[in-house]
Amino acid sequence: DIQMTQSPSTLSASVGDRVTITCRASQSLSSRLAWYQQKPGKAPKLLIYKASSLQSGVPSRFSGSGSGTEFTLTISSLQPDDFATYYCQQYSSFSHTFGQGTKLEIK
Amino acid sequence: QVQLQESGPGLVKPSQTLSLTCNVSGGSINSGYYYWSWIRQPAGKGLEQIGRIYSSGSTNYHPSLKSRVTISVDMSNNQFSLKLSSVTAADTAVYYCARGYSYGFLDYWGQGTLVTVSS
Repeated sequence: DIQMTQSPSTLSASVGDRVTITCRASQSLSSRLAWYQQKPGKAPKLLIYKASSLQSGVPSRFSGSGSGTEFTLTISSLQPDDFATYYCQQYSSFSHTFGQGTKLEIK
Repeated sequence: QVQLQESGPGLVKPSQTLSLTCNVSGGSINSGYYYWSWIRQPAGKGLEQIGRIYSSGSTNYHPSLKSRVTISVDMSNNQFSLKLSSVTAADTAVYYCARGYSYGFLDYWGQGTLVTVSS
């Protein structure tokens, strides 16, 4: 199985900050990586697919980059609605594994 | 707008079989562009994909659950199902159904249903 490691596990930031979350894969994924946002008690929501493609309806302050084994999710200017947990997921191998999550908290 | 809705018992006894159904509306389950997946999340923990089924009927299951999982599709009712046998407390989780696009990312999710394994 491909292992996915996110960093940091927890991130404290303020409204208006630019934040970056990193996801590293144990093997090359090409660009087969997605990012999801999950709020408490809710299902995950797709933000980014194919490493850098923005899902329809997702604000443009979200962006993704990377290929191979290292990927980033960037939020250019944090809004109050963005405080949530973020997961990466690889869909390159048989098992579509998720990262362990990054909780974005208000500082 | 595609919508998915999970249904099934919220309480299952240890050693019994967990059975859930996901009803799909707003789109046909019989489309070659998509696959249909079950994901679970224990309280306070991360996401684990249990398995998925393609329109061809082929399935992929998580290696650690493969011996206990069956995912099937009911085209006539536009729904798909999960069966997980010999459950233990470790199977207590919120279970989500979701649509996968073209062997890849999950673009639509159900709201999730909590299943507790307890006697």
